[in-house]
Amino acid sequence: GAVVSQHPSRVICKSGTSVKIECRSLDFQATTMFWYRQFPKKSLMLMATSNEGSKATYEQGVEKDKFLINHASLTLSTLTVTSAHPEDSSFYICSALIGTQYFGPGTRLLVL
Amino acid sequence: GNSVTQMEGPVTLSEEAFLTINCTYTATGYPSLFWYVQYPGEGLQLLLKATKADDKGSNKGFEATYRKETTSFHLEKGSVQVSDSAVYFCALGNFGNEKLTFGTGTRLTIIP
Repeated sequence: GAVVSQHPSRVICKSGTSVKIECRSLDFQATTMFWYRQFPKKSLMLMATSNEGSKATYEQGVEKDKFLINHASLTLSTLTVTSAHPEDSSFYICSALIGTQYFGPGTRLLVL
Repeated sequence: GNSVTQMEGPVTLSEEAFLTINCTYTATGYPSLFWYVQYPGEGLQLLLKATKADDKGSNKGFEATYRKETTSFHLEKGSVQVSDSAVYFCALGNFGNEKLTFGTGTRLTIIP
């Protein structure tokens, strides 16, 4: 199957700073990628759909100005958490749609 | 709308025991069904899938059959191993699998 990587795997930042998370499809091109958020012991919550060359589509309740998504190429999508606060601490997972969704290993964000 | 109901955990079994994790769904149309597995600290990995009624997905000794009449996709394994300890998510995707709906996950622990 396809391989999707995320970087960084873990990040700690101070409240008020911005953090960028990269999602790469290593061996396939993906027009569409997804960003999920997973709370402890909970299921995945879809945040947004990232389409190469166009604006991301956000799910209801997700602040697009806070979670900036850029899908600049067919192999890279980025999620930037702007002005992060402790409540943004979570496990963020991306996926690439290549017939089926293939998931990255996740990025754990801790905002102090 | 679409929904997935999955057996709540946690589930604890002894090594070599038989495993069943129940999953039922509600969906419009003819969805594809998936089981994903998440090992500690990692993202989701596709375990198996089925795209139409009566299809059986299988991988690593796990099996699940798409039962349209009972709207179910139960996960089974005849003899579990300690390395199977993980969280298992049932999911469905509509045409194009552009949006996946996940169950809440079932945490499985296998004791030697």
